Amino acid sequence: GAVVSQHPSRVICKSGTSVKIECRSLDFQATTMFWYRQFPKKSLMLMATSNEGSKATYEQGVEKDKFLINHASLTLSTLTVTSAHPEDSSFYICSAATSQETQYFGPGTRLLVL
Amino acid sequence: DAKTTQPPSMDCAEGRAANLPCNHSTISGNEYVYWYRQIHSQGPQYIIHGLKNNETNEMASLIITEDRKSSTLILPHATLRDTAVYYCIGGAQKLVFGQGTRLTINP
Repeated sequence: GAVVSQHPSRVICKSGTSVKIECRSLDFQATTMFWYRQFPKKSLMLMATSNEGSKATYEQGVEKDKFLINHASLTLSTLTVTSAHPEDSSFYICSAATSQETQYFGPGTRLLVL
Repeated sequence: DAKTTQPPSMDCAEGRAANLPCNHSTISGNEYVYWYRQIHSQGPQYIIHGLKNNETNEMASLIITEDRKSSTLILPHATLRDTAVYYCIGGAQKLVFGQGTRLTINP
């Protein structure tokens, strides 16, 4: 099956610093990748759609200057949380879409901002 | 994206078939029905998807009604490891997650 990895799996950072999360499709090429956020006991919320070689499309209410997305290759997308604050603490999950548009998800990255 | 409705929770005995219903009455003609599940603190796992026909793979079967307004995910022989939140999603490229069904498999 299609495998998607994320790195790091968990990160703790100080308020005001930036954190980069990587999402890789390991055994397929993904023109489109997606970034989600999940708060405790809540469902996944789509943050943005990332297309290789072009600017990401952000969902309403998601600040594009705070959540920088880069999709430089067909197997790698990165999400950078800039000037992180405690309210940015969450579980961040990426997915990558196959050519048939089925999305496969990474294991998630747990971010804690102190 | 189609709005889906699922029961918030279900229980099933180990070894029995688990049948998870989903209503998606607003699904449009080009939107697939996707099923994912999420075990605590992990990313969602793809289970199965379909457009009009019933589908089966090594994990589950998907039964879609002829009018496409509802579907049922069937786990034929549930095990304790199938305890998870199951999401039914109607969509094309974007997936919009609802609250899902929390399935508990009991020994």
